[in-house]
Amino acid sequence: EDQVTQSPEALRLQEGESSSLNCSYTVSGLRGLFWYRQDPGKGPEFLFTLYSAGEEKEKERLKATLTKKESFLHITAPKPEDSATYLCAVQARGAQKLVFGQGTRLTINP
Amino acid sequence: NAGVMQNPRHLVRRRGQEARLRCSPMKGHSHVYWYRQLPEEGLKFMVYLQKENIIDESGMPKERFSAEFPKEGPSILRIQQVVRGDSAAYFCASSSGELYGYTFGSGTRLTVV
Repeated sequence: EDQVTQSPEALRLQEGESSSLNCSYTVSGLRGLFWYRQDPGKGPEFLFTLYSAGEEKEKERLKATLTKKESFLHITAPKPEDSATYLCAVQARGAQKLVFGQGTRLTINP
Repeated sequence: NAGVMQNPRHLVRRRGQEARLRCSPMKGHSHVYWYRQLPEEGLKFMVYLQKENIIDESGMPKERFSAEFPKEGPSILRIQQVVRGDSAAYFCASSSGELYGYTFGSGTRLTVV
């Protein structure tokens, strides 16, 4: 069964304090790994898709990386507006559904 | 196009009533997905539909839940005889094809009292 585990569950950082969120996964053949951001009361907002080990993608203060077993979302010099829950999901080859992790609730204090 | 539109945003139903949740996909998207997010839990896949067809309903509870995506009009997720455990946020997503990522709507928050 495809599975995604995110850690930590919650993370508090000071503004400007860089860190990384982890997403460990097991999947029967990876089609893609997805990162989303979710604000309270809203739907997930797409950030990145990674397709193969070694791939990296960047957007503003966020950088996502992928290995054969895990993905990291690195956040550099975060700002309070980066506070949100970050969701990781995998899609297996031949499947349409995404399997989500529980998310990491990130809080950036000014 | 304002993106994936879901309505209502909030829905309150008494136990035993029916709940109908609507989802209009983004323009040009013919693939619709429904997910449920229970309190303090992650998003769980429910069903994947294309126009007039259910492609994968492996995540749908066997009873009381049904989904459709007619040729004309929005996709509908229908929950009959709601129970307290159905209280959750229900998200719809759409895509333009199997190789493309999803866009999610803002969700419908169902409360069963």
